[in-house]
Amino acid sequence: NAGVTQTPKFRVLKTGQSMTLLCAQDMNHEYMYWYRQDPGMGLRLIHYSVGEGTTAKGEVPDGYNVSRLKKQNFLLGLESAAPSQTSVYFCASTRTEYPETQYFGPGTRLLVL
Amino acid sequence: RKEVEQDPGPFNVPEGATVAFNCTYSNSASQSFFWYRQDCRKEPKLLMSVYSSGNEDGRFTAQLNRASQYISLLIRDSKLSDSATYLCVVTWFSGGYNKLIFGAGTRLAVHP
Repeated sequence: NAGVTQTPKFRVLKTGQSMTLLCAQDMNHEYMYWYRQDPGMGLRLIHYSVGEGTTAKGEVPDGYNVSRLKKQNFLLGLESAAPSQTSVYFCASTRTEYPETQYFGPGTRLLVL
Repeated sequence: RKEVEQDPGPFNVPEGATVAFNCTYSNSASQSFFWYRQDCRKEPKLLMSVYSSGNEDGRFTAQLNRASQYISLLIRDSKLSDSATYLCVVTWFSGGYNKLIFGAGTRLAVHP
């Protein structure tokens, strides 16, 4: 039981490049979330999903797209990376909508030059 | 004003010390409250929930004051392994989902 995994762990991009971050969970959780964490700020929700085939915007969705084609996977895409998207990205999942059951992945560090 | 505010620290304390962190939140409709722990370059992990009556888990005690809109975390008999950043998390229902609002964290460094 791996829990929540994220791929890649670290990536460097040039401005304008695109990439996809993959989050996978093997706990059969319905809810999945993408956050970003920046120095001096709390984690901020980018997008979330309440089940396979559904996605919704969080607090800071601009510049990102997501897809949830399979229940266990939640993909975060950057179509045209900008330096402001340099951050640590965390994926999380929960069995229910209640936050105390939230499990985080190990994070992806992204540097956009 | 930030929705959830914490003193960033760092709090530098010797082993065995008692240390307390406070966190204030702006939304009086907040529903649930938590403390998460985050080790350097790692993911956040739930430390404990915070209930109105206060709750204790070993050396850790959490308190909630709804009237003043703050929560606290007390760590007794600090260990080296307690060194981490402690995140205050508050939730409320908005925009169709339960929003988790994270504080920026308070860093604790326990030294021998």
